[in-house]
Amino acid sequence: DADVTQTPRNRITKTGKRIMLECSQTKGHDRMYWYRQDPGLGLRLIYYSFDVKDINKGEISDGYSVSRQAQAKFSLSLESAIPNQTALYFCATSREEWNTGELFFGEGSRLTVL
Amino acid sequence: SQKIEQNSEALNIQEGKTATLTCNYTNYSPAYLQWYRQDPGRGPVFLLLIRENEKEKRKERLKVTFDTTLKQSLFHITASQPADSATYLCALGGGADGLTFGKGTHLIIQP
Repeated sequence: DADVTQTPRNRITKTGKRIMLECSQTKGHDRMYWYRQDPGLGLRLIYYSFDVKDINKGEISDGYSVSRQAQAKFSLSLESAIPNQTALYFCATSREEWNTGELFFGEGSRLTVL
Repeated sequence: SQKIEQNSEALNIQEGKTATLTCNYTNYSPAYLQWYRQDPGRGPVFLLLIRENEKEKRKERLKVTFDTTLKQSLFHITASQPADSATYLCALGGGADGLTFGKGTHLIIQP
């Protein structure tokens, strides 16, 4: 079983719909992250959380919100999806400080907004 | 603003040769640099981390160098194999913004 699990793996939705992407991990890490990957733009940080009570905005947080329900669960929401949010979304965890330790990524959630 | 550059075009290497990928950066002084491998439709997988006070790091057939004067890291795969074909991402860290990723280089090892 994967250590970092994302659901759904694929989702097609319409403009204006609310979407939630879920992430759960069995690695016991406190630090969790949501990234977005677009062709030609690379990985960009949306939100990150260093523990259950800590939520921080990343580079591109506009249009997104997150919830850290437990140490193992970190959800990303799009309140009103728009086509330019079509992308591949990755959840990641780390054991150490985020700029020293490795990140463990999930398999990704491919979101298409029509 | 900080900028990371990786070879935008695919790199084609013959099996058995050494593949060398480049990561250049500007407007940044990273304390750490990481390399990841990403296969199509999969999440990136960590390969190596090198710190600013380290010039070289090795792991099996992989070697990473880090030149803070040139603002460049080189990633080498020796005795390359078709299974090494993937996209390789470099990521810089040490600032308040966490890890900043490059766009990646697509490596193709031809039999």
